[in-house]
Amino acid sequence: KAGVTQTPRYLIKTRGQQVTLSCSPISGHRSVSWYQQTPGQGLQFLFEYFSETQRNKGNFPGRFSGRQFSNSRSEMNVSTLELGDSALYLCASSLTGVYNEQFFGPGTRLTVL
Amino acid sequence: QKEVEQNSGPLSVPEGAIASLNCTYSDRGSQSFFWYRQYSGKSPELIMFIYSNGDKEDGRFTAQLNKASQYVSLLIRDSQPSDSATYLCAVNGNSGGSNYKLTFGKGTLLTVNP
Repeated sequence: KAGVTQTPRYLIKTRGQQVTLSCSPISGHRSVSWYQQTPGQGLQFLFEYFSETQRNKGNFPGRFSGRQFSNSRSEMNVSTLELGDSALYLCASSLTGVYNEQFFGPGTRLTVL
Repeated sequence: QKEVEQNSGPLSVPEGAIASLNCTYSDRGSQSFFWYRQYSGKSPELIMFIYSNGDKEDGRFTAQLNKASQYVSLLIRDSQPSDSATYLCAVNGNSGGSNYKLTFGKGTLLTVNP
């Protein structure tokens, strides 16, 4: 069974640009969550989607947005990038929600210059 | 008060010893509790989850939950150098939208010395 995949694995952007990250969950999983991981703040919850609906959002500015498609694949977008957005962005999938076991993808390393 | 707290470590134990990792949480209504292991440069992987008060054992790992004290722990018996990693405690809320949010502690770095 294929795991969670994320593309791209690495990104370098400059301040002010926008970026879109993609996540394909494990087959059959309908819940996708996104997290930002930095050395200082650890793993922080961004948002969770289930059946194309955002069920919860973390404490991040509106520049961070996401969506989920009918095939459960998900994208997150960060607009007007700031230096502080440099982080590892992790996607996790589960059958029905974060209260179940979640499986993480390898992450996308974003560097903002 | 931080929602999920862990000692950052590092926690250093000799090979073969028991490593004890602790976590406290603030949301008294929390329902689901998870332990993830993260090797340097890798993504987190689930080790154990626990929903009910008491102990849950899986091989060398035992998770312990005490909801009255809002405390969850992970014991690793017969620690091996390959257990050296950061251990993340994660808690799922109960009320309203927090049911769909997983909050992580900042992790405890464990080093097992041969």
